[in-house]
Amino acid sequence: DIQMTQSPSSMSVSLGDTVTITCRASQDVGIYVNWFQQKPGKSPRRMIYRATNLADGVPSRFSGSRSGSDYSLTISSLESEDVADYHCLQYDEYPYTFGAGTKLELK
Amino acid sequence: EVQLVESGGGLVQPGSSLKLSCVASGFTFSSYNMHWIRQAPKKGLEWIALIYYDSSNKYYADSVKGRFTISRDNSKNTLYLEMNSLRSEDTAMYYCAKSRYGYWGQGVMVTVSS
Repeated sequence: DIQMTQSPSSMSVSLGDTVTITCRASQDVGIYVNWFQQKPGKSPRRMIYRATNLADGVPSRFSGSRSGSDYSLTISSLESEDVADYHCLQYDEYPYTFGAGTKLELK
Repeated sequence: EVQLVESGGGLVQPGSSLKLSCVASGFTFSSYNMHWIRQAPKKGLEWIALIYYDSSNKYYADSVKGRFTISRDNSKNTLYLEMNSLRSEDTAMYYCAKSRYGYWGQGVMVTVSS
C-alpha cells in the first residue's frame, strides 16, 4: 500500500503566519492528492484536489503544490478560522490512503 | 443541494454485525462512485471502501477486506456498508462521501465494546 507520510503532526501557529504542511508519498501518485480541512466535531472539507486545484468556495490564501513525491498545502496569512486539522489523501492507487493528519494550534 | 445522511450506527459487541446506510439527495446518485471513510476517536482518517456508480467494481482497505461489504441501491439513492465480525478497532465515526470527496455526510458513530 502507498504510505502518505504527513508532517508535522502538529504545529503551533500565530494569526498572519504562512503555514506549510507536507505529505510525502512512498511511490508515485501523480497529481492524485487531495487536501482536507477538519474542524472539531465536523466532517472533512475538501480544500485542494488534484494536488494544486482550489476547491469551490475555498479562500485563495490556500494553495497546493507538488515537488516530486512531496505534496504541500500552504496557508498564507493564517486566519483564526483556519485553525483546524488537515489531512492529505492519495487516490491514485487502491487502497486509497490518508496521511496521519496535522493539527494546527494557536500559540 | 447535495445531502448525504448516514444512519445505522450504535454500540455493538465484538464479533457482531451492523449495517450502515447513507441516503443521498440533490444529485444523480446512480452516476457517481461512492466511498466510506472512517475516523477512530482522536485519530486520522482511514479510507475503507469504494463502489462504482453501477456496482461493477468494489475496493476495500486491507483492514476491512473480507469482513465489510459495500453495496448500493440506486433505486433508493442509498449506499450501504455491511460490517461483520466487528472488532474493538472498528470503533470509529463512519462517513460516506461522494465520488471526488466534495461532499461528505455528517457521520455515524460505531462503537464496538463488550
